[in-house]
Amino acid sequence: DVVMTQSPLSLPVTLGQPASISCRSSQSLVYSDGNTYLNWFQQRPGQSPRRLIYKVSNRDSGVPDRFSGSGSGTDFTLKISRVEAEDVGVYYCMQGTHWPPVTFGQGTKVEIK
Amino acid sequence: EVQLVESGGGLVQPGGSLRLSCAASGFTFSSYWMSWVRQAPGKGLEWVANIKQDGSEKYYVDSVKGRFTISRDNAKNSLYLQMNSLRAEDTAVYYCARDYELDPWGQGTLVTVSS
Repeated sequence: DVVMTQSPLSLPVTLGQPASISCRSSQSLVYSDGNTYLNWFQQRPGQSPRRLIYKVSNRDSGVPDRFSGSGSGTDFTLKISRVEAEDVGVYYCMQGTHWPPVTFGQGTKVEIK
Repeated sequence: EVQLVESGGGLVQPGGSLRLSCAASGFTFSSYWMSWVRQAPGKGLEWVANIKQDGSEKYYVDSVKGRFTISRDNAKNSLYLQMNSLRAEDTAVYYCARDYELDPWGQGTLVTVSS
């Protein structure tokens, strides 16, 4: 199974400041069709997860442009350019290249300092 | 609006069974893979199973193989998860999600396995 490793696991951020979350996979996530199936999800307190980013860098509909995804191969990053209060929650990366099983990172908890 | 609504959770004794349902609306259900993902209390996300559009392919995480069965009824726009031989470690909120890309998710239904 592909292991997804996120860092940091806890991320205190000052409002208006940037934040960055790293996600590394135990093997390359490039699929045979040339796509890289790496998604990012946000889970606000008490809510269901919501997909933010798909295939590394594509923002889902309604996702603010302060969220961006980048990376390739085995190293990926989610960046928030200026953290807002509504961004508090846990962020997960997920790989959909080598399944089954689909696998998630451990989650990174973003909180306001 | 795409909507997924799970139901069927509850308290069950170890070794017992439960059937979860997920009612889909707002999209052509029969055109999408569907998935179940769970989250144990205070823990991260764990993919459980998914099923192809016509039900011809089904995949499971190793920990539930032989105990859980995913199915769907395209005429009823519904996804199911039959859970047998339940264990304490199956206690979690169970979410259904559209597609193997997991977008969007339902609100979840809580399954508690305890004596």
